[in-house]
Amino acid sequence: AQKITQTQPGMFVQEKEAVTLDCTYDTSDPSYGLFWYKQPSSGEMIFLIYQGSYDQQNATEGRYSLNFQKARKSANLVISASQLGDSAMYFCAMREGGAGNNRKLIWGLGTSLAVNP
Amino acid sequence: NAGVTQTPKFQVLKTGQSMTLQCAQDMNHEYMSWYRQDPGMGLRLIHYSVGAGITDQGEVPNGYNVSRSTTEDFPLRLLSAAPSQTSVYFCASSNLRDRSSYNSPLHFGNGTRLTVT
Repeated sequence: AQKITQTQPGMFVQEKEAVTLDCTYDTSDPSYGLFWYKQPSSGEMIFLIYQGSYDQQNATEGRYSLNFQKARKSANLVISASQLGDSAMYFCAMREGGAGNNRKLIWGLGTSLAVNP
Repeated sequence: NAGVTQTPKFQVLKTGQSMTLQCAQDMNHEYMSWYRQDPGMGLRLIHYSVGAGITDQGEVPNGYNVSRSTTEDFPLRLLSAAPSQTSVYFCASSNLRDRSSYNSPLHFGNGTRLTVT
């Protein structure tokens, strides 16, 4: 069963508008971390933002914020004021914190975002 | 800051040839890993290491070997290349030192695009 689900294969947004990229996860571990990465067409993987399962507030990093709804097991990425340079693939990932988990990240399949001028 | 350095960036092999993808990090990270990325498949873990002298298999280890003789280096060896190993390969590392290190993001190299003909 998929532990990380990104239901939007592709998204379009107009420049300067906000966009939400969906991510739902599945875990029974009370300790976990959720990560978002950006992969532009040049290919590198860029870490954007992190949310811990015990964090009381939603994470924010500049124009990126995470809409963390623990009961619904969702961790949606919100990009405000989209820019052309935001066009990229976006990956959601989770690391479970339990002992013996090997610290592996579990990855979603990604969402392709295109920002239109 | 160099971070995670992967070489080469591009490689073409003939079926049956062997090669080693190099990966080095200068952040003193205990955890290092190799992923392959294929269209529609997301990122799949090949091998990982939680410290010098310790390696383990990921989801898709067949056809690949790794070793970890130092904290800094984690080479990936293809023993007999096959067309199915045509992919983009990423090396990534993260900090494991803290008890709460499940929140440590993976730091990625820039990737190696491998084609096997």
